Amino acid sequence: GQNIDQPTEMTATEGAIVQINCTYQTSGFNGLFWYQQHAGEAPTFLSYNVLDGLEEKGRFSSFLSRSKGYSYLLLKELQMKDSASYLCAVKNTGGFKTIFGAGTRLFVKA
Amino acid sequence: GAGVSQSPSNKVTEKGKDVELRCDPISGHTALYWYRQSLGQGLEFLIYFQGNSAPDKSGLPSDRFSAERTGGSVSTLTIQRTQQEDSAVYLCASSLGLAGETQYFGPGTRLLVL
Repeated sequence: GQNIDQPTEMTATEGAIVQINCTYQTSGFNGLFWYQQHAGEAPTFLSYNVLDGLEEKGRFSSFLSRSKGYSYLLLKELQMKDSASYLCAVKNTGGFKTIFGAGTRLFVKA
Repeated sequence: GAGVSQSPSNKVTEKGKDVELRCDPISGHTALYWYRQSLGQGLEFLIYFQGNSAPDKSGLPSDRFSAERTGGSVSTLTIQRTQQEDSAVYLCASSLGLAGETQYFGPGTRLLVL
């Protein structure tokens, strides 16, 4: 079967660093995405990893280990506006089907 | 337009009625996706189009659901004989296709079946 696991909720303090983990078991792998979704809004693209390693983009970084079926999203210098759901998604091999996890709701407190 | 648009933004219907949801992808995007998101849940893949053809319909929940795309652009998702469990936000996304990976999402259609 196909499964993507990520924590349901996390809480962190403004200015801090938070790491959101994602593990996956899917039929084939052709890249892993992280999306941000504010309540009542559509998801917006954050990052895409297809090779192992760390991709850094401003305050956000994403890491991938294909052998471990594991990724994390690292958010630095947290701001209140970072309070949102963060969705981990895996694209299957040979097609465009993308499997989404249930998302991690991040609460940033002052 | 500049982004993916969907209509209607909200739809309330009675159980048993048919509904049609529309998606206008970003111009030039060959790949188009439909997802369903129930309250507090992740995205559930429904169907994807490459051009006008749908190589993967595996996510459609039942034969009451169908989708088409014409002219490599606009897509419609039709739900026949709606049921209360069909209530959800239906999201459409598009991407460049083979040349690109990022999916750009529309604002969604919030469907409520009474």
